[in-house]
Amino acid sequence: AQSVTQPDIHITVSEGASLELRCNYSYGATPYLFWYVQSPGQGLQLLLKYFSGDTLVQGIKGFEAEFKRSQSSFNLRKPSVHWSDAAEYFCAVGASNDYKLSFGAGTTVTVRA
Amino acid sequence: EAQVTQNPRYLITVTGKKLTVTCSQNMNHEYMSWYRQDPGLGLRQIYYSMNVEVTDKGDVPEGYKVSRKEKRNFPLILESPSPNQTSLYFCASSSRLAVRSGANVLTFGAGSRLTVL
Repeated sequence: AQSVTQPDIHITVSEGASLELRCNYSYGATPYLFWYVQSPGQGLQLLLKYFSGDTLVQGIKGFEAEFKRSQSSFNLRKPSVHWSDAAEYFCAVGASNDYKLSFGAGTTVTVRA
Repeated sequence: EAQVTQNPRYLITVTGKKLTVTCSQNMNHEYMSWYRQDPGLGLRQIYYSMNVEVTDKGDVPEGYKVSRKEKRNFPLILESPSPNQTSLYFCASSSRLAVRSGANVLTFGAGSRLTVL
């Protein structure tokens, strides 16, 4: 069965600083990987996804993620954080031709001025 | 606008009083699913539906029921709610074509916060 671990429960970062959120997955075959963001009081919005090809994936809002098969990781990065990036971030793993997604526990990001 | 709509957004109820959380999508998606979100546990799948009249249990189905009589609607029913069902609930949908092409991108509703006293 697939599973996802997000080691950091909470991260605080200064506005303008860089951000990296960690995600490790467990899956026997080639995974489909996703990052979702949940702003306060909102549903989940897709930031980016990886299915195949280039291991560096660009998403919305200036985010990118890198798939590293050898480390079973799919870390999310942003070079310069804005106050509006304060939210909870979820990593998820799925499989080809399968509806099921398994989510990590989430990482809450606080942005300080 | 393509969206998933959940109602109610907020609900406080008492133990044992049956309630239904509605979910409707306007994207003609075959797949619909319910998740609950709890601190430190992320999102856990309750039930899902592959199409009309086809439903199956997710990871945490105990205490919940669902039905899929129409393609657009997928209500979540709590026959006898208990305090451990206090949670934030999300409905999500996706299309079969998207899944088969490898792009299983879920569209989420805004969430329903349920408190059971």
